[in-house]
Amino acid sequence: QVQVVESGGGVVQPGRSLRLSCAASGFSFRSYVMHWVRQAPGKGLEWVSLISYNGGNEYYADSVKGRFTISRDNSKNTLYLQMNSLRAEDTAVYYCARDSSSLGNFDSWGQGTLVTVSS
Amino acid sequence: EIVMTQSPATLSVSPGERATLSCRASQSVTSNLAWYQQKPGQAPRLLIYGASTRATGIPARFSGSGSGTEFTLTISSLQSEDFAVYYCQQYDNWPPLTFGGGTKVEIK
Repeated sequence: QVQVVESGGGVVQPGRSLRLSCAASGFSFRSYVMHWVRQAPGKGLEWVSLISYNGGNEYYADSVKGRFTISRDNSKNTLYLQMNSLRAEDTAVYYCARDSSSLGNFDSWGQGTLVTVSS
Repeated sequence: EIVMTQSPATLSVSPGERATLSCRASQSVTSNLAWYQQKPGQAPRLLIYGASTRATGIPARFSGSGSGTEFTLTISSLQSEDFAVYYCQQYDNWPPLTFGGGTKVEIK
């Protein structure tokens, strides 16, 4: 069955970096657009970033542009999110999500990984 | 950026009753609208895409309607497992992809 599993979250000081990973299984990873979506504690959902099938195109929310970088390794069925210059407002559960065939919505989600930015 | 507004913020419904949730877009998103369900401590789950198409495995009691700027998610007869937060999301004009603020469906 389709599965995506995030890892790499934790507590980090403001201004530091963290890299999240998302391991995919049960589907042809290289055939799907992938996303990161986050949810601050007690808040709603916020789309963070998207990467195309082959990694050739990337898109970001304005709130993370220039600080976060999405990437993928199709040989390892893994999605990444490099997060630099972290701020307190980046504190959230980060979800890896598979794009549906409709492009732009999310048909499979991981369980999420919590990132806490605090001194 | 397209702003999605959901109403009401909280909906109190008795089991077996119908629930109607609304979502409004700040500009037309044609039919590129999805609905998600999220239970406490869980990831969201795709319910509806294309404004009215149920995702795989979603029960028929969930239905979506609307186009342009006004959308509705209807749960025809609420079951205990349906009490959750529901989000709408547009994917017509991006980036960014944007979500509504959510509607919490609680037991009356």
